[in-house]
Amino acid sequence: AQSVTQLGSHVSVSEGALVLLRCNYSSSVPPYLFWYVQYPNQGLQLLLKYTTGATLVKGINGFEAEFKKSETSFHLTKPSAHMSDAAEYFCAVSYGGGSNYKLTFGKGTLLTVNP
Amino acid sequence: DGGITQSPKYLFRKEGQNVTLSCEQNLNHDAMYWYRQDPGQGLRLIYYSQIVNDFQKGDIAEGYSVSREKKESFPLTVTSAQKNPTAFYLCASSRGQGKNEQFFGPGTRLTVL
Repeated sequence: AQSVTQLGSHVSVSEGALVLLRCNYSSSVPPYLFWYVQYPNQGLQLLLKYTTGATLVKGINGFEAEFKKSETSFHLTKPSAHMSDAAEYFCAVSYGGGSNYKLTFGKGTLLTVNP
Repeated sequence: DGGITQSPKYLFRKEGQNVTLSCEQNLNHDAMYWYRQDPGQGLRLIYYSQIVNDFQKGDIAEGYSVSREKKESFPLTVTSAQKNPTAFYLCASSRGQGKNEQFFGPGTRLTVL
């Protein structure tokens, strides 16, 4: 079965520091890749996605992610953390073909930003 | 504004009772989904529907039922057969599958008393 692994269920950074959230997937074919953010007691909001083309993808709120096929990774980064970035982040991967795809989520990484 | 609405935001239920969670979208999306979220477990797919009057079981469909009579609406019923129904439930929709992202509603937190 296909899977998504987010390394680190909890990441803590200082305000202004680099944010790095890791995501690895298992797939025999190139998938479509997504990062979502969730604030407490709210739904998920799309940060960015990779479908085809440029492997470095820029999203909202200063986040970006790079698709590395050789490493089966799609890590999320932000150069400088802000207090408002504190939230839970989910990596998701869409596998399949034709009209039959499945979106699989990682278990999430809770980001804490310290002043 | 286009989006997905879920109601109610909080729901309390006694054991043995069925309860229905509402999900409505005005994005004109064909596909709709229901997920269950538990702490530390990510999102797990309950049911999904790619078109009106058709739906498929996800990974954890036991104890749940759905209907899709209208494109805009995809209600979820949590039945008394669901052994551990306390969770956060999220509804989503998408234009299609594959590379199309899913848009999420604000969620319903169900607590069984």
